[in-house]
Amino acid sequence: DAGVIQSPRHEVTEMGQEVTLRCKPISGHNSLFWYRQTMMRGLELLIYFNNNVPIDDSGMPEDRFSAKMPNASFSTLKIQPSEPRDSAVYFCASSFNRRNTEAFFGQGTRLTVV
Amino acid sequence: AQSVTQLDSQVPVFEEAPVELRCNYSSSVSVYLFWYVQYPNQGLQLLLKYLSGSTLVKGINGFEAEFNKSQTSFHLRKPSVHISDTAEYFCAVSEDADKLIFGTGTRLQVFP
Repeated sequence: DAGVIQSPRHEVTEMGQEVTLRCKPISGHNSLFWYRQTMMRGLELLIYFNNNVPIDDSGMPEDRFSAKMPNASFSTLKIQPSEPRDSAVYFCASSFNRRNTEAFFGQGTRLTVV
Repeated sequence: AQSVTQLDSQVPVFEEAPVELRCNYSSSVSVYLFWYVQYPNQGLQLLLKYLSGSTLVKGINGFEAEFNKSQTSFHLRKPSVHISDTAEYFCAVSEDADKLIFGTGTRLQVFP
């Protein structure tokens, strides 16, 4: 298995633009997690899905952030409009049976908003 | 609410020396505890986990950790480190095996 695949690996965008991050979980995994990593706040869980349904989005910072999982093999995290403080590395992880404890992480998307 | 404290942001050590990375947690209920490693420009990889049973947990790459309930700690140890162990190490706690709460990380720098 290729593991969790995220795209793009790097994204530079101007403030105010829409940004879409993509994730393909490991085949057979039914839970998917989006994390944000910054120097100031460390690793924060933004949202997670189980069987394509959002279970907990309490970590989503504000309405500018939205996430979808239209099917078991794809998820997106969208920021609209983007702001410089959104600059971070965004990780997607997947696991089987809601067990975040066994989560496998993608390599992340480094987002820079200028 | 659960939380994790990693007391050391950076730990420098010479190759072949022992190392201990400290982790303390707070929770009002029983917890599951984990250590993850992040190599440069990579995602996180599970090193080891404590779910129940023996308090001494062995993981990959020669690492081990000991769960101490009375001290609410889960320190990570390795008797002899290698240059390749240079990475960021994250301690994490979960109360329900669902959501992982991560510490701020400890950067282990191994010098030749």
